[in-house]
Amino acid sequence: QVQLVESGGGVVQPGGSLRLSCAASGFTFSSFGMHWVRQAPGKGLEWVAFIRFDGSDIYYADAVKGRFTISRDNSKKTLYLQMNSLRPEDTAVYYCAKNWEFYYFQYWGQGILVTVSS
Amino acid sequence: QSALTQPASVSGSPGQSITISCTGTNSDVGRYNYVSWYQQHPGKAPKLLISAVSNRPSGVSARFSGSKSGNTASLTISGLQAEDEADYYCSSYTSTNTWVFGGGTKLTVL
Repeated sequence: QVQLVESGGGVVQPGGSLRLSCAASGFTFSSFGMHWVRQAPGKGLEWVAFIRFDGSDIYYADAVKGRFTISRDNSKKTLYLQMNSLRPEDTAVYYCAKNWEFYYFQYWGQGILVTVSS
Repeated sequence: QSALTQPASVSGSPGQSITISCTGTNSDVGRYNYVSWYQQHPGKAPKLLISAVSNRPSGVSARFSGSKSGNTASLTISGLQAEDEADYYCSSYTSTNTWVFGGGTKLTVL
């Protein structure tokens, strides 16, 4: 069965950096695009970034463009999100999600909490 | 990249039907049939319910159905059950190669 396991979250000061990882199993990771989606405490879902199966296309939400970098290592079946210049408003649970038919979020990880606070 | 508009809450009694609306613009919901719906129980990850406006992935109950008219998509849940109590989110692909979610709707089963 599909499993997506996020790691790397924690507490970081404003202006700091953090790298999230998402380990995938149960499907051919190298054949599917992947997303990062976040959810601030008590709030709704917010799409963050997408990377195509081979890394050839990458898209970002305006809120994170220039600060966050999505990447992947297909040999390690792992998705990454490098987050720099973090702000308090980036505090959220971050989910990785498997893309399906390009437009949909088929499977989701359990999420990892990132807290930006001094 | 403004969020799609959903009602904050809806409610219904067991066995009844409810509909959740999701209003976007000509750049997202109105432009493409790439609307999807997700169910999220408290403390859990979202689950895909509907793709491509009205398609149910394998394993999703036939009680869930979707439709679209103009800039507004809708999710209908028929035969409400207690287990349907959750938050529901719509999503659409957009003309700027991004994705946008609705603000979410909390469903209460009375």
